[in-house]
Amino acid sequence: SQTIHQWPATLVQPVGSPLSLECTVEGTSNPNLYWYRQAAGRGLQLLFYSVGIGQISSEVPQNLSASRPQDRQFILSSKKLLLSDSGFYLCAWSAAVGGGEKLFFGSGTQLSVL
Amino acid sequence: QKEVEQDPGPLSVPEGAIVSLNCTYSNSAFQYFMWYRQYSRKGPELLMYTYSSGNKEDGRFTAQVDKSSKYISLFIRDSQPSDSATYLCAMSENLAALIFGKGTTLSVSS
Repeated sequence: SQTIHQWPATLVQPVGSPLSLECTVEGTSNPNLYWYRQAAGRGLQLLFYSVGIGQISSEVPQNLSASRPQDRQFILSSKKLLLSDSGFYLCAWSAAVGGGEKLFFGSGTQLSVL
Repeated sequence: QKEVEQDPGPLSVPEGAIVSLNCTYSNSAFQYFMWYRQYSRKGPELLMYTYSSGNKEDGRFTAQVDKSSKYISLFIRDSQPSDSATYLCAMSENLAALIFGKGTTLSVSS
């Protein structure tokens, strides 16, 4: 069965520090991968998605970047964090399951920028 | 008008009640409709999935899609305290552009 791993669960970082969040998927090949951010009262916002190694689409211009160095690895980065980068970050993958394509989420990383 | 509207609640019901959660949308091209359950500080968990239109039932959960009214619903029968969570609707023409509602917070008291 497919599983998605995301770490760390919680992160507290000072303003101006770098960021690296990692996500890996097991049990599937060539998944579509996504990074979302969930801010209080604002719902889920798609940040990046990737359909393959080295292929990244950005949905929202911001202080963040994403990379996909391996088929099942997706990394979210920042060179200098801003206060506004605080939020709950979720990695997700999609696959055709049971006659339709479905989106599955990791457990999330709560990022606090102070 | 926002593309997806969802009443944020909170919604409080006693154990055993029937719960109705709803979302409206404006884009008639949407064909993927999903409901997610999210516990505090956890990732959303896919509960129900409907492609195109119709009803789907899974245990105590029933999802309905009414494309003519641009309205989707999630019904929870015999609600339990463990159903207390935030429920997110999501929909789109394709998954790369999936649009989420802001979520409805449900509290089921024993």
